[in-house]
Amino acid sequence: EAGVTQFPSHSVIEKGQTVTLRCDPISGHDNLYWYRRVMGKEIKFLLHFVKESKQDESGMPNNRFLAERTGGTYSTLKVQPAELEDSGVYFCASSPRTGGWNEQFFGPGTRLTVL
Amino acid sequence: LAKTTQPISMDSYEGQEVNITCSHNNIATNDYITWYQQFPSQGPRFIIQGYKTKVTNEVASLFIPADRKSSTLSLPRVSLSDTAVYYCLVGPISSGSARQLTFGSGTQLTVLP
Repeated sequence: EAGVTQFPSHSVIEKGQTVTLRCDPISGHDNLYWYRRVMGKEIKFLLHFVKESKQDESGMPNNRFLAERTGGTYSTLKVQPAELEDSGVYFCASSPRTGGWNEQFFGPGTRLTVL
Repeated sequence: LAKTTQPISMDSYEGQEVNITCSHNNIATNDYITWYQQFPSQGPRFIIQGYKTKVTNEVASLFIPADRKSSTLSLPRVSLSDTAVYYCLVGPISSGSARQLTFGSGTQLTVLP
């Protein structure tokens, strides 16, 4: 069974540009989570999808971040326009419908560098 | 939110038992304690979870004292492949949201030959 995949693995962009990160959860997992770790800081929750609906987006830092999960399958996280402080590693995780955060499977992450 | 504190790094030798302690003084009644392992260029991977006393699985043991203000992850007879960052998480699992999770800074365990 394929695990959670994320694309790209690395992205280097300039301040002001737009970047879109993609996450493909494990097939059949209704719950999808986004997290990020900025340099030197802790991994922090961004938002949680249940299928295509945003269950909780309280961790989104500001309105430059937009997450979508059309059709309840893969998800995208767009940063527009990117700022220097957005640099870090963005993780996606998924869990089964009846599972919670404790049954999450994480992807390898996307390392975003904003210059 | 319950904040967690862990040592930044630990070194050990192959074959030794490693104990990593996490402090969580503000743990709430409905919080569980979960440990994740992370290798370079990979996402965190669930290791073990517990609420109180002791939990053991094929990978590790988790010791939680009665006051639950700390917990200790025990890795028996570590090998070089156990070199990773270990995270202690505290949060509710039954009714809480993932936003209540507290990821600590993690402990970098380095196993030496």
